[in-house]
Amino acid sequence: DAMVIQNPRYQVTQFGKPVTLSCSQTLNHNVMYWYQQKSSQAPKLLFHYYDKDFNNEADTPDNFQSRRPNTSFCFLDIRSPGLGDAAMYLCATSRRGAGSGETQYFGPGTRLLVL
Amino acid sequence: DQQVKQNSPSLSVQEGRISILNCDYTNSMFDYFLWYKKYPAEGPTFLISISSIKDKNEDGRFTVFLNKSAKHLSLHIVPSQPGDSAVYFCAAILRDDKIIFGKGTRLHILP
Repeated sequence: DAMVIQNPRYQVTQFGKPVTLSCSQTLNHNVMYWYQQKSSQAPKLLFHYYDKDFNNEADTPDNFQSRRPNTSFCFLDIRSPGLGDAAMYLCATSRRGAGSGETQYFGPGTRLLVL
Repeated sequence: DQQVKQNSPSLSVQEGRISILNCDYTNSMFDYFLWYKKYPAEGPTFLISISSIKDKNEDGRFTVFLNKSAKHLSLHIVPSQPGDSAVYFCAAILRDDKIIFGKGTRLHILP
C-alpha cells in the first residue's frame, strides 16, 4: 500500500543533543510537510517542500531545519533540542500544494521525548 | 491568535444519533476547509472537504456545512457508529498553501 512512513515512532534524546526524524513516502507526491503537535494543541506547520523548493513558516525556530534529498524522503533536524521541543512530529504529503484544496496524507508521527 | 477554533474539546453522542462537530474561523481568505479524523497512535486521515464557494458537501454518513457569513462550519455524522470515536480536526487552507488546524474535538460514541 502506498503510504507515508515515519521512523522511529518514539525518539528519546537528551537536552541539547541533535536529533533527526525521518519521513518517507511511496505516493510520489510533490509536497512534503512537517508539523509539530503538542499535547491538546493543533498541529502547527513548521515548513514544507514543494519538490525541492523549501518553504519555512515565519515563526519556525532556527533550531529546526529540514532536508529533502529526493522525492521520497524528508528529514527534520533539531539542532539543539530543548524541553519545549518535546512533541509529536507529523509528516504529511500531498500531490499539489495545500492551496489547491488537496488533502494531505499523514504519517503516524514520531513522538519526541527530551530528557 | 487562533484563526481556526474548535471550542468543544470533547463531545459524547449515543450510537445511532447525529454527531455535530463545530468549527469557527476568523480569516475570510480561507479557500478550502477540511475535516480530519485521528485515532490514537495514528496520523490524521482525511475525511471530507468543502470549497469556500459551496455551502454543503456530502459523502455517505458525513456532511459538512459552511456558513460564510457566520464564519462557521460543522461536520454532521449520521448515524453515529462506534468506529467514529476519534479526535476530529478542522483545518482551513489559504491560497498560499498555508494550512491551519484547530485543536481538535474528541468524539465519544456511547453504546
